[in-house]
Amino acid sequence: EVQLVESGGGLVKPGDSLRLSCAASGFRFSYDSMAWVRQAPGKGLEWVASISGNSYWIYHADSVKGRFTISRDYAKNTLYLQMDSLRVDDTAIYYCARINVALPGIQSHPIDFWGQGTQVTVSS
Amino acid sequence: DVQLTQSPSTLSASVGQRVTITCRASQSVNTRLAWSQQKVGKAPKLLIYEASILESGVPSRFSGSASGTEFTLTISSLQPDDFATYYCQQYETYPLSFGGGTKVEIK
Repeated sequence: EVQLVESGGGLVKPGDSLRLSCAASGFRFSYDSMAWVRQAPGKGLEWVASISGNSYWIYHADSVKGRFTISRDYAKNTLYLQMDSLRVDDTAIYYCARINVALPGIQSHPIDFWGQGTQVTVSS
Repeated sequence: DVQLTQSPSTLSASVGQRVTITCRASQSVNTRLAWSQQKVGKAPKLLIYEASILESGVPSRFSGSASGTEFTLTISSLQPDDFATYYCQQYETYPLSFGGGTKVEIK
């Protein structure tokens, strides 16, 4: 059974840093791409970052480029999102998601599984 | 960047009613489009990918279609469990993008 369990969220001040973690199990972690997607209060879904199975391809949304960094640890089967220089508008639920490379696609593939999310609140 | 425009943003419907949601892409995404369902306080759940392929375990009342840059999600007979918000998402190119969502409410 696929499981994605996020942790590391919390209440921080503008300018602070935070590192989110996503523990993955139930599938070949080194095979699939992974992503972070966020959802601000009462708003829709916003893609944040993606990383390929071998960590060769890494993409970040313009809204977080230079401040956030996605990475993965194969020994721990864990996905990370390092968030620096946090701003009030980064407040959101952050979801870890699997991009299933076995499904059709070229540059990317469908997101087929989501974690339950972790809340990040940035407020002075 | 690909912009996805969903319509309507809110839809009121009755149980048993046929429901159609549209997602229009600002440029070609071929068939690299997925539909997901999100209930309040829950993570999204994949329903359809590649515009029209039903994800395993998803009821057959859900279907998807494509015509150029216009994509449609249809629920043939709305059930109580279907009241939720639906999002389209393109995975043809980075940056990945989502539509603004369509909330399906009880009429």
